[in-house]
Amino acid sequence: DVKVTQSSRYLVKRTGEKVFLECVQDMDHENMFWYRQDPGLGLRLIYFSYDVKMKEKGDIPEGYSVSREKKERFSLILESASTNQTSMYLCASMGGQKGATEAFFGQGTRLTVV
Amino acid sequence: QKEVEQNSGPLSVPEGAIASLNCTYSDRGSQSFFWYRQYSGKSPELIMFIYSNGDKEDGRFTAQLNKASQYVSLLIRDSQPSDSATYLCAVNTETSYDKVIFGPGTSLSVIP
Repeated sequence: DVKVTQSSRYLVKRTGEKVFLECVQDMDHENMFWYRQDPGLGLRLIYFSYDVKMKEKGDIPEGYSVSREKKERFSLILESASTNQTSMYLCASMGGQKGATEAFFGQGTRLTVV
Repeated sequence: QKEVEQNSGPLSVPEGAIASLNCTYSDRGSQSFFWYRQYSGKSPELIMFIYSNGDKEDGRFTAQLNKASQYVSLLIRDSQPSDSATYLCAVNTETSYDKVIFGPGTSLSVIP
């Protein structure tokens, strides 16, 4: 079975803290993505990576950074957490045949910044 | 113009009726199309994918694709309250890296 695992299901952090969200996939996929999802706004792409040590900004990268040191692991970093970063964070791993990529999601991390 | 568009809803249908969810996309080079279902507080799960023009059926679900009109739809027959969820349309784009573009989702409510 395909598996994408996020390190935490729920997280509460204080304003100004550095926050790490981890995502691990066991499908040997090259492409991994971090989204945040807020009511009424849908899935918004923060960063993605298509290879080890490679990263690309998505639509809303401000306040975030990422790390991809190993193929299976993609980390999202909130450099200095703020209350407007309270959200559901979803990691996705994408793979399959060329032109038939499927997205597999982790269980999500609901982050609350207080 | 957004790459993948959906009616946000909410769409309400009575139990046993057919629910029809619609999606349009802008990239003519798109090759594969997906429907994800997302229950409140959960992550999206893949329920249907379609590559060729026409219809694809899987149980109570039918995906319909019209590449000329850049339109993909999902029909849910005999709708059940357990079908109440947000349905995300997703499209695979051909670029130097494969990625899937998601629509904003349509909220479906099936009324018992």
